[in-house]
Amino acid sequence: SQQGEEDPQALSIQEGENATMNCSYKTSINNLQWYRQNSGRGLVHLILIRSNEREKHSGRLRVTLDTSKKSSSLLITASRAADTASYFCATDPYQGGKLIFGQGTELSVKP
Amino acid sequence: KAGVTQTPRYLIKTRGQQVTLSCSPISGHRSVSWYQQTPGQGLQFLFEYFSETQRNKGNFPGRFSGRQFSNSRSEMNVSTLELGDSALYLCASSSGRQEEKLFFGSGTQLSVL
Repeated sequence: SQQGEEDPQALSIQEGENATMNCSYKTSINNLQWYRQNSGRGLVHLILIRSNEREKHSGRLRVTLDTSKKSSSLLITASRAADTASYFCATDPYQGGKLIFGQGTELSVKP
Repeated sequence: KAGVTQTPRYLIKTRGQQVTLSCSPISGHRSVSWYQQTPGQGLQFLFEYFSETQRNKGNFPGRFSGRQFSNSRSEMNVSTLELGDSALYLCASSSGRQEEKLFFGSGTQLSVL
């Protein structure tokens, strides 16, 4: 079964708006990562947040992690049409080399 | 640095056949992981190889197997194909250390007819 559950499953916004995606997981983790996938292609790593971190920024991306609630959120600010893609959270359950992915959020940014 | 290369990009097979997929990791990376992606089940972990040894395995039947060569290149084999094996198979490489991000290939789209 999947470790992560993502919410919402699909999100449609206008260019310039912010997009927020949420991820919940079930077991203890070493770290949580976010990946992006353009249709039918491979995944691209966006950001990694360790279990002892609460917030991390990278460009227009902001990730938060709440280990007490076993949840994380990804915020994309000032979104662009090029941000249209599926976004996945992935947890590393201390099993080196094995990531457990959520079902993903499909983001559509309309110009 | 060249990225992760997967071949072939597309594959069409019939039920009962077997298939071999190939993955060349980023130079210097010793870990190769394989994932199956379907619309219904999402991304499912198949197995991970590190320095020619299987280090982790997901919950897939024995029809799914893999190996890694001394140059870190990896192959995945699926025998006795079933319709449900139709999926995008993704390979990812990393150095194999903990807290490492994965670098994914573009995948092999397998269709079983």
